[in-house]
Amino acid sequence: GIQVEQSPPDLILQEGANSTLRCNFSDSVNNLQWFHQNPWGQLINLFYIPSGTKQNGRLSATTVATERYSLLYISSSQTTDSGVYFCAVEQSNFGNEKLTFGTGTRLTIIP
Amino acid sequence: DSGVTQTPKHLITATGQRVTLRCSPRSGDLSVYWYQQSLDQGLQFLIQYYNGEERAKGNILERFSAQQFPDLHSELNLSSLELGDSALYFCASRGPVRTEAFFGQGTRLTVV
Repeated sequence: GIQVEQSPPDLILQEGANSTLRCNFSDSVNNLQWFHQNPWGQLINLFYIPSGTKQNGRLSATTVATERYSLLYISSSQTTDSGVYFCAVEQSNFGNEKLTFGTGTRLTIIP
Repeated sequence: DSGVTQTPKHLITATGQRVTLRCSPRSGDLSVYWYQQSLDQGLQFLIQYYNGEERAKGNILERFSAQQFPDLHSELNLSSLELGDSALYFCASRGPVRTEAFFGQGTRLTVV
Protein backbone atom coordinates (compact mmCIF):
# COMPACT_ATOMS: atom_id res chain seq x y z
CA GLY A 1 0.00 0.00 0.00
CA ILE A 2 0.88 3.65 -0.18
CA GLN A 3 3.44 4.96 2.33
CA VAL A 4 3.03 8.38 3.93
CA GLU A 5 5.91 9.93 5.83
CA GLN A 6 5.88 13.16 7.76
CA SER A 7 8.77 15.25 8.99
CA PRO A 8 9.94 16.32 11.41
CA PRO A 9 8.42 13.90 13.93
CA ASP A 10 8.71 16.46 16.72
CA LEU A 11 9.01 20.23 16.73
CA ILE A 12 9.32 22.57 19.71
CA LEU A 13 9.03 26.30 19.04
CA GLN A 14 8.61 29.57 20.86
CA GLU A 15 5.36 31.41 20.49
CA GLY A 16 5.50 33.67 17.44
CA ALA A 17 7.81 31.41 15.42
CA ASN A 18 7.04 30.05 11.97
CA SER A 19 7.21 26.40 10.94
CA THR A 20 7.00 24.13 7.91
CA LEU A 21 5.73 20.57 8.15
CA ARG A 22 6.29 18.12 5.31
CA CYS A 23 4.34 15.14 4.03
CA ASN A 24 5.83 12.75 1.45
CA PHE A 25 3.83 10.00 -0.19
CA SER A 26 4.98 7.06 -2.25
CA ASP A 27 2.38 6.95 -5.02
CA SER A 28 -0.02 9.22 -6.90
CA VAL A 29 -3.04 10.39 -4.94
CA ASN A 30 -6.41 11.94 -5.68
CA ASN A 31 -7.04 13.40 -2.27
CA LEU A 32 -4.89 14.88 0.47
CA GLN A 33 -6.05 16.36 3.75
CA TRP A 34 -4.25 17.98 6.67
CA PHE A 35 -5.61 17.53 10.19
CA HIS A 36 -4.74 18.93 13.58
CA GLN A 37 -5.26 16.61 16.54
CA ASN A 38 -5.59 18.80 19.60
CA PRO A 39 -4.54 17.73 23.12
CA TRP A 40 -8.08 16.48 23.75
CA GLY A 41 -7.80 14.06 20.84
CA GLN A 42 -10.12 15.80 18.39
CA LEU A 43 -9.19 15.61 14.70
CA ILE A 44 -9.81 19.00 13.16
CA ASN A 45 -9.87 19.54 9.41
CA LEU A 46 -7.32 22.08 8.23
CA PHE A 47 -7.13 21.68 4.48
CA TYR A 48 -8.48 19.55 1.67
CA ILE A 49 -5.71 20.04 -0.87
CA PRO A 50 -5.10 17.40 -3.56
CA SER A 51 -3.07 19.98 -5.48
CA GLY A 52 -2.17 23.65 -5.44
CA THR A 53 -2.00 26.14 -2.59
CA LYS A 54 -4.57 27.24 -0.04
CA GLN A 55 -4.47 29.70 2.84
CA ASN A 56 -6.58 30.01 5.94
CA GLY A 57 -5.46 32.74 8.31
CA ARG A 58 -2.03 31.93 9.71
CA LEU A 59 -2.02 28.53 8.04
CA SER A 60 -1.33 27.68 4.46
CA ALA A 61 -0.69 24.46 2.55
CA THR A 62 0.83 23.50 -0.77
CA THR A 63 0.60 20.15 -2.51
CA VAL A 64 2.82 19.27 -5.47
CA ALA A 65 1.12 16.09 -6.60
CA THR A 66 3.56 15.37 -9.42
CA GLU A 67 6.45 15.34 -6.93
CA ARG A 68 4.45 13.53 -4.25
CA TYR A 69 4.69 15.93 -1.35
CA SER A 70 2.71 18.48 0.58
CA LEU A 71 3.77 21.25 2.95
CA LEU A 72 1.89 22.86 5.81
CA TYR A 73 3.05 26.32 6.90
CA ILE A 74 2.18 27.77 10.28
CA SER A 75 3.09 31.39 10.87
CA SER A 76 3.19 33.38 14.12
CA SER A 77 2.60 30.23 16.19
CA GLN A 78 0.31 30.35 19.21
CA THR A 79 0.10 27.92 22.12
CA THR A 80 -3.25 26.72 20.78
CA ASP A 81 -1.39 25.41 17.71
CA SER A 82 0.16 22.68 19.87
CA GLY A 83 -0.83 19.13 19.06
CA VAL A 84 -0.17 16.57 16.36
CA TYR A 85 -0.50 17.40 12.69
CA PHE A 86 -1.42 14.60 10.31
CA CYS A 87 -1.57 14.45 6.57
CA ALA A 88 -3.77 11.77 5.03
CA VAL A 89 -3.96 10.66 1.42
CA GLU A 90 -6.38 8.70 -0.70
CA GLN A 91 -6.02 6.99 -4.04
CA SER A 92 -9.76 6.81 -4.77
CA ASN A 93 -9.84 3.58 -6.69
CA PHE A 94 -13.22 1.92 -6.39
CA GLY A 95 -13.09 -0.21 -3.29
CA ASN A 96 -9.98 1.60 -2.04
CA GLU A 97 -11.33 4.96 -0.91
CA LYS A 98 -9.82 5.07 2.51
CA LEU A 99 -7.57 7.80 3.84
CA THR A 100 -4.09 6.57 4.75
CA PHE A 101 -2.56 8.65 7.51
CA GLY A 102 1.02 9.69 7.95
CA THR A 103 2.95 9.24 11.15
CA GLY A 104 2.29 12.79 12.30
CA THR A 105 4.34 15.77 13.48
CA ARG A 106 4.03 16.64 17.17
CA LEU A 107 4.21 20.42 17.55
CA THR A 108 4.77 22.03 20.94
CA ILE A 109 4.55 25.82 21.22
CA ILE A 110 6.19 27.28 24.30
CA PRO A 111 4.86 30.61 25.67
CA ASP B 1 -18.29 20.82 15.29
CA SER B 2 -17.68 18.41 12.39
CA GLY B 3 -21.29 17.22 12.27
CA VAL B 4 -20.22 13.61 12.93
CA THR B 5 -21.48 12.33 16.27
CA GLN B 6 -19.94 9.43 18.16
CA THR B 7 -21.20 7.84 21.35
CA PRO B 8 -20.12 7.14 23.95
CA LYS B 9 -17.15 9.47 24.40
CA HIS B 10 -15.50 7.23 26.98
CA LEU B 11 -15.89 3.54 27.72
CA ILE B 12 -14.17 1.42 30.35
CA THR B 13 -14.75 -2.30 30.24
CA ALA B 14 -13.14 -5.56 31.29
CA THR B 15 -11.24 -8.06 29.18
CA GLY B 16 -13.46 -10.57 27.45
CA GLN B 17 -16.42 -8.22 27.23
CA ARG B 18 -18.24 -6.88 24.17
CA VAL B 19 -18.98 -3.23 23.39
CA THR B 20 -20.78 -1.29 20.66
CA LEU B 21 -19.62 2.08 19.42
CA ARG B 22 -22.08 4.26 17.54
CA CYS B 23 -21.59 6.85 14.81
CA SER B 24 -24.04 9.24 13.19
CA PRO B 25 -22.60 10.73 9.98
CA ARG B 26 -23.11 14.26 8.70
CA SER B 27 -26.46 14.82 7.12
CA GLY B 28 -26.47 13.46 3.58
CA ASP B 29 -23.11 11.66 3.78
CA LEU B 30 -23.38 8.09 2.54
CA SER B 31 -19.85 6.92 3.43
CA VAL B 32 -18.79 6.01 6.94
CA TYR B 33 -15.26 5.03 7.93
CA TRP B 34 -13.93 3.57 11.17
CA TYR B 35 -10.36 4.15 12.36
CA GLN B 36 -8.42 2.97 15.38
CA GLN B 37 -5.73 5.10 16.99
CA SER B 38 -3.46 3.24 19.37
CA LEU B 39 -0.43 4.78 21.04
CA ASP B 40 2.03 2.72 19.06
CA GLN B 41 0.13 2.25 15.78
CA GLY B 42 -1.04 5.66 14.68
CA LEU B 43 -4.36 6.00 12.86
CA GLN B 44 -5.30 2.69 11.26
CA PHE B 45 -8.19 2.20 8.85
CA LEU B 46 -10.60 -0.51 9.93
CA ILE B 47 -13.58 -0.54 7.56
CA GLN B 48 -15.73 1.58 5.25
CA TYR B 49 -19.44 1.42 4.52
CA TYR B 50 -21.23 3.15 1.69
CA ASN B 51 -25.01 3.45 1.76
CA GLY B 52 -25.39 0.34 3.88
CA GLU B 53 -22.87 -1.88 2.14
CA GLU B 54 -19.31 -2.74 3.07
CA ARG B 55 -16.98 -0.96 0.63
CA ALA B 56 -13.44 -1.45 1.88
CA LYS B 57 -11.74 -3.35 4.64
CA GLY B 58 -8.48 -2.64 6.42
CA ASN B 59 -6.71 -4.54 9.15
CA ILE B 60 -9.87 -5.21 11.11
CA LEU B 61 -9.70 -8.11 13.53
CA GLU B 62 -12.18 -10.98 13.24
CA ARG B 63 -13.38 -10.09 16.75
CA PHE B 64 -14.54 -6.73 15.37
CA SER B 65 -17.53 -6.19 13.13
CA ALA B 66 -19.46 -3.23 11.82
CA GLN B 67 -22.63 -2.37 10.00
CA GLN B 68 -24.40 0.62 8.53
CA PHE B 69 -28.13 0.90 9.00
CA PRO B 70 -30.80 2.25 6.59
CA ASP B 71 -30.74 5.62 8.39
CA LEU B 72 -26.97 5.66 7.64
CA HIS B 73 -25.77 5.52 11.21
CA SER B 74 -23.09 2.93 11.84
CA GLU B 75 -22.06 0.71 14.70
CA LEU B 76 -18.71 -0.90 15.42
CA ASN B 77 -18.90 -4.02 17.57
CA LEU B 78 -15.82 -5.15 19.46
CA SER B 79 -15.96 -8.53 21.20
CA SER B 80 -13.70 -10.69 23.37
CA LEU B 81 -11.88 -7.53 24.27
CA GLU B 82 -8.19 -7.62 25.10
CA LEU B 83 -5.97 -5.07 26.82
CA GLY B 84 -4.43 -4.23 23.45
CA ASP B 85 -7.78 -3.08 22.11
CA SER B 86 -7.56 0.00 24.30
CA ALA B 87 -7.49 2.89 21.86
CA LEU B 88 -9.28 5.90 20.47
CA TYR B 89 -11.84 4.82 17.87
CA PHE B 90 -12.85 7.38 15.28
CA CYS B 91 -15.68 7.47 12.84
CA ALA B 92 -15.54 9.67 9.75
CA SER B 93 -18.07 10.48 7.07
CA ARG B 94 -17.91 11.99 3.62
CA GLY B 95 -20.09 12.73 0.66
CA PRO B 96 -19.09 11.80 -2.89
CA VAL B 97 -15.66 10.37 -3.71
CA ARG B 98 -12.81 12.90 -3.70
CA THR B 99 -14.43 15.16 -1.17
CA GLU B 100 -13.38 16.07 2.33
CA ALA B 101 -13.79 13.55 5.14
CA PHE B 102 -14.89 14.77 8.58
CA PHE B 103 -14.17 12.99 11.83
CA GLY B 104 -16.18 12.61 14.99
CA GLN B 105 -14.75 13.31 18.43
CA GLY B 106 -13.86 9.67 18.93
CA THR B 107 -14.65 7.05 21.55
CA ARG B 108 -11.87 6.41 24.02
CA LEU B 109 -12.00 2.72 24.94
CA THR B 110 -10.10 1.45 27.94
CA VAL B 111 -9.97 -2.30 28.54
CA VAL B 112 -8.93 -3.26 32.07
